[in-house]
Amino acid sequence: EVQLVESGGGLVQPGASLKLSCVASGFTFSDYWMSWVRQTPGKTMEWIGDIKYDGSYTNYAPSLKNRFTISRDNAKSTLYLQMSNVRSEDTATYYCTRDPPFAYWGQGTLVTVSS
Amino acid sequence: DVVMTQTPPSLSVAIGQSVSISCKSSQSLVYSDGKTYLHWLLQSPGRSPKRLIYQVSNLGSGVPDRFSGTGSQKDFTLKISRVEAEDLGVYYCAQTTHFPFTFGSGTKLEIK
Repeated sequence: EVQLVESGGGLVQPGASLKLSCVASGFTFSDYWMSWVRQTPGKTMEWIGDIKYDGSYTNYAPSLKNRFTISRDNAKSTLYLQMSNVRSEDTATYYCTRDPPFAYWGQGTLVTVSS
Repeated sequence: DVVMTQTPPSLSVAIGQSVSISCKSSQSLVYSDGKTYLHWLLQSPGRSPKRLIYQVSNLGSGVPDRFSGTGSQKDFTLKISRVEAEDLGVYYCAQTTHFPFTFGSGTKLEIK
């Protein structure tokens, strides 16, 4: 059974950095593209970006490219999202998803940006 | 970015009735390989989203055949026949033809 478990969320101050993790199990992690998607408190869904199965290529939403970085460690079956200079509008639940696009979702981790 | 416009924003339906949700994109979703990467997701209350339909009309694993998807180019529809109580939640369309991938704003389905 495919399982994706996100962690690392919490309350963070504006301007700070935060790194989210997503541990995968139930499939060969290194065979699949992975993505991050976020959902705002108002339920708007936003695709953040994705990463190739070997970590050699990434795509990002242009509006987030300068502050967010996606990486992976295939030996640990773990996907990461490094967030920098966070803003109040980054407050959201962050999900990792597995290819095919949006086929599998984790339970999400809530990030709240507030002073 | 491709704008995905979903209508209606919400609807209320009785058990056993049928319902349709519309999703229109600002650009054609036909990719260079000839396929159309338009998908439908359901987020049940308190749960993560689940993919119901992929590439316009293909049912996801374990999805009942009460759900069906149709459409082409820029105009797509999700139909739910014989609505059941478990179908309540928010339905989203999403496209993965063009970067960045984008979602509709959602349609909230309530049971009368």
